[in-house]
Amino acid sequence: GAGVSQTPSNKVTEKGKYVELRCDPISGHTALYWYRQSLGQGPEFLIYFQGTGAADDSGLPNDRFFAVRPEGSVSTLKIQRTERGDSAVYLCASRQFNTGELFFGEGSRLTVL
Amino acid sequence: GENVEQHPSTLSVQEGDSAVIKCTYSDSASNYFPWYKQELGKRPQLIIDIRSNVGEKKDQRIAVTLNKTAKHFSLHITETQPEDSAVYFCADEGNYGGSQGNLIFGKGTKLSVKP
Repeated sequence: GAGVSQTPSNKVTEKGKYVELRCDPISGHTALYWYRQSLGQGPEFLIYFQGTGAADDSGLPNDRFFAVRPEGSVSTLKIQRTERGDSAVYLCASRQFNTGELFFGEGSRLTVL
Repeated sequence: GENVEQHPSTLSVQEGDSAVIKCTYSDSASNYFPWYKQELGKRPQLIIDIRSNVGEKKDQRIAVTLNKTAKHFSLHITETQPEDSAVYFCADEGNYGGSQGNLIFGKGTKLSVKP
């Protein structure tokens, strides 16, 4: 596709459940980023991949959060035992190598009841 | 403290006036400073960026200035129009978390341009 694609666009789940959020970056982009954005806040860094490996995962809030990018393209953000505080828009972004313009997806809005 | 501090958090101007948003950063190794615009319910989009080897960059009504000594950079919008109303985020690419290439964002400035 032409842009960064994220699915699902909306996810409602119950406290304690497991969720997966998917990101399909722009073809050829080696760097992929996950951010979390709460209402009225800036994108909060979670993790960034260079190829298949996590170059920096220092933003993951705790061990309930995990992300993978097994083939260096599509990435999945996994959240275990969801809590109400996890409710936010999860933004994925990609760019070539680790420089230049970062292109964002539309985001996945997660609501934990 | 925060890696990127952005001020003000809200800014209201009359159409035609100028708007200035400022950010400070902490990592002296930072070398890339983009600004993103996010309209309500939409994704952030790049509007202008600057690298550390340049002090100023301009694109029509938008300009960015960088002061590496003081570790701050600013977004300047001249002749503001109602369609400039949005939330603006600065970002800084530094060696945070031990890895170059990590982009950290400010908390945002909500700009309102009154007709």
